[in-house]
Amino acid sequence: GAGVSQSPSNKVTEKGKDVELRCDPISGHTALYWYRQSLGQGLEFLIYFQGNSAPDKSGLPSDRFSAERTGGSVSTLTIQRTQQEDSAVYLCASSTRTGFYEQYFGPGTRLTVT
Amino acid sequence: QQQVKQSPQSLIVQKGGISIINCAYENTAFDYFPWYQQFPGKGPALLIAIRPDVSEKKEGRFTISFNKSAKQFSLHIMDSQPGDSATYFCAASPFNDYKLSFGAGTTVTVRA
Repeated sequence: GAGVSQSPSNKVTEKGKDVELRCDPISGHTALYWYRQSLGQGLEFLIYFQGNSAPDKSGLPSDRFSAERTGGSVSTLTIQRTQQEDSAVYLCASSTRTGFYEQYFGPGTRLTVT
Repeated sequence: QQQVKQSPQSLIVQKGGISIINCAYENTAFDYFPWYQQFPGKGPALLIAIRPDVSEKKEGRFTISFNKSAKQFSLHIMDSQPGDSATYFCAASPFNDYKLSFGAGTTVTVRA
């Protein structure tokens, strides 16, 4: 079946602009995660959605970052007033509620802030 | 700061050789230790995982060794193949917790 998809695959933006990154999880997966992967770094947890519960936003690095999940499916990560340090690969993952240990990752969106 | 320390940053191994990647952690609440494999341009994929109730788990050519007292775990890739060339991440989380802490990754290159 279809895996996790993300769009766009690449995004180049100017410093100060806002960007929106999209994630389509695997159908039927109720849990959705966003991570950031910077060069030479591991994956950094950003936010977690589970069903209709309040999201865990504890990993968001600043109030310029926000995310929403509509209808329990598609999610959008928004970065306002982008900074050069926001340049990274943003990865989305999804899992079943009971199998959250096994997270299925999308291919990521490479964001470059110039 | 990273809760899981991974080494080496990169390694090169000849085809047929053994690749060894090490990870260490401090948080004694960690109870689940997965390894992810990532190819260029792709997202990470779960490779193999272990819980602390066993000291070793093997799946094909991939083996996790776990040392609870030392708070260390490692991935061994036996009979390394060029197709194993990828970046490998160790991770850890507390029991029943979705929040994985990842190591910085190891880029493995297998020379034919």
